[in-house]
Amino acid sequence: DQQVKQNSPSLSVQEGRISILNCDYTNSMFDYFLWYKKYPAEGPTFLISISSIKDKNEDGRFTVFLNKSAKHLSLHIVPSQPGDSAVYFCAASAKSGGSNYKLTFGKGTLLTVNP
Amino acid sequence: DAGVIQSPRHEVTEMGQEVTLRCKPISGHDYLFWYRQTMMRGLELLIYFNNNVPIDDSGMPEDRFSAKMPNASFSTLKIQPSEPRDSAVYFCASSRGQGWNEKLFFGSGTQLSVL
Repeated sequence: DQQVKQNSPSLSVQEGRISILNCDYTNSMFDYFLWYKKYPAEGPTFLISISSIKDKNEDGRFTVFLNKSAKHLSLHIVPSQPGDSAVYFCAASAKSGGSNYKLTFGKGTLLTVNP
Repeated sequence: DAGVIQSPRHEVTEMGQEVTLRCKPISGHDYLFWYRQTMMRGLELLIYFNNNVPIDDSGMPEDRFSAKMPNASFSTLKIQPSEPRDSAVYFCASSRGQGWNEKLFFGSGTQLSVL
């Protein structure tokens, strides 16, 4: 049972345009959301995050939007660059016993930015 | 800081053989995680440690998998006997804490192929 779903396995956009990556979740206990970026032959690296008390967080070309009522978040990249081509993982955090938090990942979306 | 270091980068073995994957976390990080990435299931948490003690191993697929952390700078994930369905990329990650906004730092992964 996938609690974090990235329904688009891949996305292709033109350089300079906007990339929108989507993520849905089912667990209402999730209260912190993160995006990780992964290049081939490397481990995922942290990109941007958002707390459930916010609906938007911006960092340069990257903006994450959270819609709690719809249990949906999205990552916007504007403008997209060829170097943004990577797999993007959505992740969500919730308490899992005691004070520890467990991070649950989606399957990832492969973004290709064409020059 | 060298980051999280995993070895080997690639492992090819035959069904039934024992496989040992190794990880050195970032110094000062109290949490260590083992993840497995497959096309079907994405990034799955197998087990995590806090101060060298296993906290949650509910993601370990079956008794063929075992993990140890004998000290703060070293962990192993062992598969015995290995099976073709174990073929995947195995990531080790570490974090300073496990609060709701802690970020994970991943190693480059071990690509395991079981023939």
